[in-house]
Amino acid sequence: DTEVTQTPKHLVMGMTNKKSLKCEQHMGHRAMYWYKQKAKKPPELMFVYSYEKLSINESVPSRFSPECPNSSLLNLHLHALQPEDSALYLCASSPPVGGGPGYTFGSGTRLTVV
Amino acid sequence: GNSVTQMEGPVTLSEEAFLTINCTYTATGYPSLFWYVQYPGEGLQLLLKATKADDKGSNKGFEATYRKETTSFHLEKGSVQVSDSAVYFCALGGPYNQGGKLIFGQGTELSVKP
Repeated sequence: DTEVTQTPKHLVMGMTNKKSLKCEQHMGHRAMYWYKQKAKKPPELMFVYSYEKLSINESVPSRFSPECPNSSLLNLHLHALQPEDSALYLCASSPPVGGGPGYTFGSGTRLTVV
Repeated sequence: GNSVTQMEGPVTLSEEAFLTINCTYTATGYPSLFWYVQYPGEGLQLLLKATKADDKGSNKGFEATYRKETTSFHLEKGSVQVSDSAVYFCALGGPYNQGGKLIFGQGTELSVKP
C-alpha cells in the first residue's frame, strides 16, 4: 500500500458545525502532516506529527485541532470555522529518518464553510 | 532560512513543444528536492525527486537534475502533451528526522494547447 487516503473528499459545513477530516496511511511512515491549500497557491503547512507527537504547529488558530490516535491515522477536528477557511486540506506522510520515497500526499478534502 | 523560487506562470505551450520550468533554492545542509504536479481538482502527486547533488530524477518523460553549484532543479520535458496541463510545484525537503518541513515554490501553471 503506497497511498495516503483522506476522507471525506468534499465537505460543506456551517460556521457553527463540528466536523472531522480523516487521513490514513499504511506505509509505516512515522511523520504525518496537515497542509492547507488555496486555489493555485502552494500548500501551507499547518501541523506536523512525528512518532504520534505534535512536533510543529504553524500558529494555526485553535478552531483547528489535530489528533494522531496511532501511527497510521491523523485527524483534523474543525469547529466554528470561518468562510475564509474554505480550502483544500491535504494530508501527507513521510519516513522520519534516512530518506526513502519522500513525502506522499493524499488527494485532499475540499472544504467549503458557509 | 530555506526557500524555493520558481519561474512565474502561467506558461502556455503548443503540443510537442519543449518545456522548461526553472526552480532555484536556498538551503543549508543537504536537502532533497522534489517536483510535484497538481491536476485540476486533484491533490499533489510526486512527479520526481533527487536526494543529492548531481542526481537526476525522471518520470513520465520529465527530468530534473540537482545542481548544487547553481542551486537549481529545473524541470524539463522534450515534448509536452495536452494531458500535461497542470500546476507544477518545486519543493525542498528538510531533514527527515523529527518530521522535516516541505517548502514549496509558488507553483507554475502550465497550459498545453492542441
